[in-house]
Amino acid sequence: GEDVEQSLFLSVREGDSSVINCTYTDSSSTYLYWYKQEPGAGLQLLTYIFSNMDMKQDQRLTVLLNKKDKHLSLRIADTQTGDSAIYFCAESPMIYNQGGKLIFGQGTELSVKP
Amino acid sequence: GAVVSQHPSWVICKSGTSVKIECRSLDFQATTMFWYRQFPKQSLMLMATSNEGSKATYEQGVEKDKFLINHASLTLSTLTVTSAHPEDSSFYICSARDNFRTSSYEQYFGPGTRLTVT
Repeated sequence: GEDVEQSLFLSVREGDSSVINCTYTDSSSTYLYWYKQEPGAGLQLLTYIFSNMDMKQDQRLTVLLNKKDKHLSLRIADTQTGDSAIYFCAESPMIYNQGGKLIFGQGTELSVKP
Repeated sequence: GAVVSQHPSWVICKSGTSVKIECRSLDFQATTMFWYRQFPKQSLMLMATSNEGSKATYEQGVEKDKFLINHASLTLSTLTVTSAHPEDSSFYICSARDNFRTSSYEQYFGPGTRLTVT
């Protein structure tokens, strides 16, 4: 079946790096995504990675993909208090590619302490 | 670009009444829109996929007669919660996909609607 797992909480100090981990089950997923949700708001797409890539870097964000282990991670360099939010990992199984259905993890609440 | 709006952002209604939530793609045409439900501190659960001009596809366990979805135009989908009960209180989020782009891997999310049923 389709399942995406994340740890629920992560606490870091301002200026440190944050690493949020995610495991997924469907190896057919073409795209894997990281979304950010601030309190009371919708989801903001942070970054995505195509399944034939191992790494993608976008300014302070680095995404690592280990297809063999079905493991995805999001590293935020120089974490700021404004990065405090819930981060969702999502996969897009190939069977749903035409329809665009996403399977979300439970979300990781990142708390950044000054 | 790629902005999705929802209206209202917050609504309180009495038990037994119906409430309509609108989802609009402001600067693109969305053949497909999705409706999600999110409980506090939990993930998004897909309720249904809405395709313009056709019936919505509901996920298992979602009552189609209770959650009526209409996608009458390429920029508007509505979710009507009929005969609402307190257990329907939740955060409802829509997203839209720009199917006319060849690389339409992105879903653009609305800001969500907080529904409280008293």
